[in-house]
This record gives sequence, C-alpha cells and structure tokens, in this order.
Amino acid sequence: GAGVSQSPSNKVTEKGKDVELRCDPISGHTALYWYRQSLGQGLEFLIYFQGNSAPDKSGLPSDRFSAERTGGSVSTLTIQRTQQEDSAVYLCASSLQGSYNEQFFGPGTRLTVL
Amino acid sequence: AQTVTQSQPEMSVQEAETVTLSCTYDTSESNYYLFWYKQPPSRQMILVIRQEAYKQQNATENRFSVNFQKAAKSFSLKISDSQLGDTAMYFCAFFWNTGKLIFGQGTTLQVKP
Repeated sequence: GAGVSQSPSNKVTEKGKDVELRCDPISGHTALYWYRQSLGQGLEFLIYFQGNSAPDKSGLPSDRFSAERTGGSVSTLTIQRTQQEDSAVYLCASSLQGSYNEQFFGPGTRLTVL
Repeated sequence: AQTVTQSQPEMSVQEAETVTLSCTYDTSESNYYLFWYKQPPSRQMILVIRQEAYKQQNATENRFSVNFQKAAKSFSLKISDSQLGDTAMYFCAFFWNTGKLIFGQGTTLQVKP
C-alpha cells in the first residue's frame, strides 16, 4: 500500500514569506507526527495528532508555527514569516492508534529560506 | 526529561565486516521502547530494529542486533556482514507513552568496498 507522502519535496522561499507543508498519512493511521531535522542535527519533535484528541503542540518552536489536521487525515504545517533558521527538512510520520506502534515516515520536505 | 546521546558522529567499516553503533539514554520511565532508524541519502527514515524495555532478550533482525543494557541505559546496534547498502545515517530513538520519539544526533555510517 501507499506510504506517507509529503509535498512539496523541496521548497525555497524568501525570508518573511509564509509556507505550507503537506502530509498525507497512511490510510487508517490515526496518529500523525511532525518532526524537524536541521542540518547536522537529529530529529526534533514538533507536534503530534492522535485521533480527535487535542494535539500535543509542545515541540513547536514559536507561535509562527502551526499545524492542523483535517478530517483526521491530511495535515498541513504552516510557518509564518519564515526566518533563515527555519531552513531544515520537515518530516511527517504516521502510526496506528496506540502508544507503541511503529511510526512510518514520509520522505520529508526540504525547506530553504533565503 | 528524556535524552538520547549518540557519541559517534561518523563511522566507517569495510564491506562484510561488523560494526557497532553506540547509544545511551537517560530516563526515569520504566516502560518504554527503543528504536534504531536508518536514513539513507533519500531521506526516507526506515525502522531497523526495536526493543521493548520490559524484554530482557536482545532484539535481532537478520544482520542487525542490539545490545540492550537497561541498568546502564545503553542500547547499541551491531551490524554484521556490512553491505554497501547499509551506508546511511543511523538514529537511536526513545519512545514512551507520550507519543513522540526522542532522537539522538545520529551516526553517519560509511561502508567501504
């Protein structure tokens, strides 16, 4: 079956512009996660959606970052007024309901802020 | 707070040889999972192996095995018979019931022919 997909694959934007990154999870997966991978760094948790529960936003680095998940499926990560330090690969993952199920990752979106 | 440390930024190994990647973690939790993920140049994160903390037996998946030392909070990955396709960045990750994975900084592994 289809895996997690993300679009766009690459995004170049100018400082101060807003960007939207999209994630399509595996069908039937109720949990969805966003992570950020900066150059030479490990992955940093951003936000976690589980079913209809309130999302865990504890990893969002500033109020310029927001995410939503529509219909329990597709998710959009929005970064407003982008800064150069936002340049990174943004990875999305999904998993079946339940705490200890494997997270399946998408290929990521590489964001470059000029 | 949970932390994961990978102290080897880069490693290399000759094809067909064995290599061990190190990972230590810190937690006060008793029930948790540990993972090793592989990230090739394609950026696609792939689960290599997982270990449940309540299991004493070390996990094994074909050429990949772990040495899980719960008391020492150590979780190393051994790759036997290294292949060129094993060249990638490897991440150790910690998971408990909050839903999110905590990752180490990663180890870049180069398998040389």
